[in-house]
Amino acid sequence: AQSVTQPDIHITVSEGASLELRCNYSYGATPYLFWYVQSPGQGLQLLLKYFSGDTLVQGIKGFEAEFKRSQSSFNLRKPSVHWSDAAEYFCAVGARGGYQKVTFGTGTKLQVIP
Amino acid sequence: DAGVTQSPTHLIKTRGQHVTLRCSPISGHKSVSWYQQVLGQGPQFIFQYYEKEERGRGNFPDRFSARQFPNYSSELNVNALLLGDSALYLCASSLVDPGVGTGELFFGEGSRLTVL
Repeated sequence: AQSVTQPDIHITVSEGASLELRCNYSYGATPYLFWYVQSPGQGLQLLLKYFSGDTLVQGIKGFEAEFKRSQSSFNLRKPSVHWSDAAEYFCAVGARGGYQKVTFGTGTKLQVIP
Repeated sequence: DAGVTQSPTHLIKTRGQHVTLRCSPISGHKSVSWYQQVLGQGPQFIFQYYEKEERGRGNFPDRFSARQFPNYSSELNVNALLLGDSALYLCASSLVDPGVGTGELFFGEGSRLTVL
């Protein structure tokens, strides 16, 4: 069964500082990988996705993520955080083939301080 | 273009009651999935429908059911509500045929259910 671990429940960074959110997945083959962001009381918005090809993926809002097969990781990064980035971030894994069950991690809440 | 729309946005029910939540996918999307998000947790997969057929079911009791209509809109029904059913229920639509694999999910803003 596929699973996702986000080891950091809560992260605080200063505005302008760099950010890295960790994500480890468990899946029997090469998965589809996603990062979603959720603002309070809102639905989820896709930041970026990895399906195949280049392991460094660029997303919206200046985010990027790197797929590392050897570490079963898909960490999200941003070089300079803005106050508007404060939200909850979810890493997710989807199966190749079969029905579209996407499994989400428990999320990392990002706080940005001035 | 309209995104995924869900109704109602908020509702309060009491234990033992029944609830119906509705979802309209993005135009052209034939796949609809339902997720339950309990406060402080990530979304949990409940159902996926494609072309009006159930294609996947998560680990939820039979009190949870869903269906998809010819216009690809969908309903999630929950019977005999329990306090633990209080959650944000998210609907997501996708272009991808689930027989092909996983595509990008487009989420609505959810229906927040409170069970008293």
